[in-house]
Amino acid sequence: GDSVTQMEGPVTLSEEAFLTINCTYTATGYPSLFWYVQYPGEGLQLLLKATKADDKGSNKGFEATYRKETTSFHLEKGSVQVSDSAVYFCALSDRGNDMRFGAGTRLTVKP
Amino acid sequence: DGGITQSPKYLFRKEGQNVTLSCEQNLNHDAMYWYRQDPGQGLRLIYYSQIVNDFQKGDIAEGYSVSREKKESFPLTVTSAQKNPTAFYLCASSLTPLTGEQYFGPGTRLTVT
Repeated sequence: GDSVTQMEGPVTLSEEAFLTINCTYTATGYPSLFWYVQYPGEGLQLLLKATKADDKGSNKGFEATYRKETTSFHLEKGSVQVSDSAVYFCALSDRGNDMRFGAGTRLTVKP
Repeated sequence: DGGITQSPKYLFRKEGQNVTLSCEQNLNHDAMYWYRQDPGQGLRLIYYSQIVNDFQKGDIAEGYSVSREKKESFPLTVTSAQKNPTAFYLCASSLTPLTGEQYFGPGTRLTVT
């Protein structure tokens, strides 16, 4: 079945460092890809999405490009802030109801 | 403000008791979902509903039950048959069943002792 694999955390960075969180997927069809962010004790918030190959999703300085050839959707940010500390989830949806999530990557940004 | 509300935020129950978690949305979304989240793990789908009066089992439905009598509401009951019910429960909705993008509520943390 469809699945998502994220790089294991936790990830600890200093403020203004460059962030990459790797995400690869396995899917039989042509899924939409998502990054969600979860702050402590809260639900998930949609951060960005891409619905077809070569699409780039972007929001709040975060970016991810849908790479069909490498089945990847890596999350990047050029300069992280302390407020970016959270858990990040990569997810895919091939048929709407069948959304699959990665295990999540905890990011801590230190001042 | 449109959104999804879950109540309560924290819930404590004794083992052997059933408990119902509330989920309400005013986004006029057709589809609703319940997920379970355990520490350090991703989300696992418990049940989902595409339309009123219809729902389907997800990956881990055993020990849970749901109803969808109104479009806005999708309550989840954690029964005494659920062997390990302590977890963080998240409700979500999407505009249509085929819309990949889901919107999440703030979650309910259930502790059973």
